Amino acid sequence: DVKVTQSSRYLVKRTGEKVFLECVQDMDHENMFWYRQDPGLGLRLIYFSYDVKMKEKGDIPEGYSVSREKKERFSLILESASTNQTSMYLCASSLTGRRYSNQPQHFGDGTRLSIL
Amino acid sequence: KNQVEQSPQSLIILEGKNCTLQCNYTVSPFSNLRWYKQDTGRGPVSLTIMTFSENTKSNGRYTATLDADTKQSSLHITASQLSDSASYICVVSAVDSSYKLIFGSGTRLLVRP
Repeated sequence: DVKVTQSSRYLVKRTGEKVFLECVQDMDHENMFWYRQDPGLGLRLIYFSYDVKMKEKGDIPEGYSVSREKKERFSLILESASTNQTSMYLCASSLTGRRYSNQPQHFGDGTRLSIL
Repeated sequence: KNQVEQSPQSLIILEGKNCTLQCNYTVSPFSNLRWYKQDTGRGPVSLTIMTFSENTKSNGRYTATLDADTKQSSLHITASQLSDSASYICVVSAVDSSYKLIFGSGTRLLVRP
């Protein structure tokens, strides 16, 4: 089974802090994703990476950056945390290529981040 | 604008009963439609994926249908169990962007004893 592991289930930080969220997958997937999930809004894509050191902005990248130095690890960085970044953050991974386009994304269990 | 809308927002049923969740989408050109189950405090888990040519797919007590002409999908749960209590999320992928998914906001199902 694919396992996507997020380093923290719950995190409380203060406004202005630099925050790191870590995600590791064990299935050699090329694609990795960071989403945030807010009530009534569904999942929204923050950033996407299709290879090591490669990244693309999603729908809501403002206030975030990412790092992918190794294939299995994808980090989300809040440069200067603000209260409106309080949310559930979900990491996902998937295979790449047209023949895998009907394969699911595999999600971690999320990090519930509170910014005070 | 690509959108996915789900109904109802929430649903309460008694254990053992059947229920049907709805999903309407405006994503074009369509590639596939997925249903995910998300337990409280957990990440979403894939239930089914259907392409344009498939109009029904089952996974145990879960049966998804797809009408690509009317751009509608449904998820039918048979003989509900307490463990079916969760959010069910409909997700659509467009042909030109297989990595970028459009998520519905989910239906929250509560199964009561």
